[in-house]
Amino acid sequence: GQQVMQIPQYQHVQEGEDFTTYCNSSTTLSNIQWYKQRPGGHPVFLIQLVKSGEVKKQKRLTFQFGEAKKNSSLHITATQTTDVGTYFCAGQASGGSYIPTFGRGTSLIVHP
Amino acid sequence: NAGVMQNPRHLVRRRGQEARLRCSPMKGHSHVYWYRQLPEEGLKFMVYLQKENIIDESGMPKERFSAEFPKEGPSILRIQQVVRGDSAAYFCASSPNESGGAAEQFFGPGTRLTVL
Repeated sequence: GQQVMQIPQYQHVQEGEDFTTYCNSSTTLSNIQWYKQRPGGHPVFLIQLVKSGEVKKQKRLTFQFGEAKKNSSLHITATQTTDVGTYFCAGQASGGSYIPTFGRGTSLIVHP
Repeated sequence: NAGVMQNPRHLVRRRGQEARLRCSPMKGHSHVYWYRQLPEEGLKFMVYLQKENIIDESGMPKERFSAEFPKEGPSILRIQQVVRGDSAAYFCASSPNESGGAAEQFFGPGTRLTVL
C-alpha cells in the first residue's frame, strides 16, 4: 500500500533559524496537504498542493510539490516560538482515492 | 459556523467496557473520517463515512470496532470490550467535498480514550 515518509522526526532550532521538513511518497500523488498540530491540540489544515512543481507561500512558510508529484517540503523562514508543533503531510494517491495517508510528522521545537 | 465537535473530550474506561465516541461534522459537511493517534505518532486512518454509508473501513479493526453516520445525528465510533491497547486520541474530521477526491479536512478536538 501507499506509504508516506516524513523526515526528520524531530527538529530543534534556535528562534530565528530556518526549518525544513520533507515528505516522500512511495506512489504518485494527486495532491498533498499539510497540517499543523500544536501540543495537545488537533491538526489544522495549512495548505493543499495539486500541480507538479507547485510552490505556494504563506508569510514565512513555503510549500513545494515535486515535479514527479511524489515528494513535498515545507520550509519556515526565521522560526518563532509560535511555530512550535508537529507538521504533518498527507498525500492522496492518484486514481481517485478518497483516503489521505499521513506521514508521521515532524515535531518542531523552537528555543527562545 | 461551528467547527467539528467531538465528545466526550476525555473518556476513561475499564477493560471490557464499551466506548462510544461522537462526532458532529461542520454544518454542510457530509463526509466524515475517523483517525487514531498514538503519542508522538501520525494519524492512522480508520474509517470514511458519508451519511448512512460506510465508504471505506479498511483501517478499522474487524473486531470490536464499528462506526456509523446516521441520517440524523452525529457519527459514532464504537469500541466494544476495550483493551489497554485502545488507549489513544481519536480524531474525527469532516470534509465538504461531494464527489470525493481532494478536499481539506477540518478536524475536531479529539477524544482522549484511556483504558484502565
